[in-house]
Amino acid sequence: AQTVTQSQPEMSVQEAETVTLGCTYDTSESDYYLFWYKQPPSRQMILVIRQEAYKQQNATENRFSVNFQKAAKSFSLKISDSQLGDAAMYFCAYRILFKETSGSRLTFGEGTQLTVNP
Amino acid sequence: GAGVSQSPRYKVAKRGQDVALRCDPISGHVSLFWYQQALGQGPEFLTYFQNEAQLDKSGLPSDRFFAERPEGSVSTLKIQRTQQEDSAVYLCASSRGLAVANTGELFFGEGSRLTVL
Repeated sequence: AQTVTQSQPEMSVQEAETVTLGCTYDTSESDYYLFWYKQPPSRQMILVIRQEAYKQQNATENRFSVNFQKAAKSFSLKISDSQLGDAAMYFCAYRILFKETSGSRLTFGEGTQLTVNP
Repeated sequence: GAGVSQSPRYKVAKRGQDVALRCDPISGHVSLFWYQQALGQGPEFLTYFQNEAQLDKSGLPSDRFFAERPEGSVSTLKIQRTQQEDSAVYLCASSRGLAVANTGELFFGEGSRLTVL
């Protein structure tokens, strides 16, 4: 079974500073995707960044970047120049390439609540 | 529609009542998922549809939970004889395709918060 672990239930950062959220996962698959989703109080999950496991280059989206260590099964999210609007619950998630019967469900971690202090 | 739409956003039920939660996915999306998210937790998979076919219902916690998607678009999650432990946010998500080349992104609705008294 695939599992995703986020060991930091809460983190805080000063506005304009950098913060890193950790995530580890366990899988026997070789082809998969990793995601970071943001969930604000409105509850809608918003995709922050995506990493394909076959790509060695770390994904980057503006102020968001990942440190993907496939051998260590680690997938951390770095937020640079933190903004007040970044405050939310962040979920790390894992998905294998499509399989007929399961549709490649997303498996989520427990989440990290990020607070951004002005 | 432009996004995944869920209704109602909030539902309060007395223990033992039946509830129905609706999901309207993005038009043309083949795959549809239901997740249950308890307070302070990550979402947990409930069930998966490919068009109208329910291909995986391994996450449904009991036979009181039932989901359908009869025409391959709108889906309904029904919970019979609700219990307090059913209190959670129920999230619906859809994705476009089936192929291996699928980028894997799911698009989520805002969820339906169910409170069972």
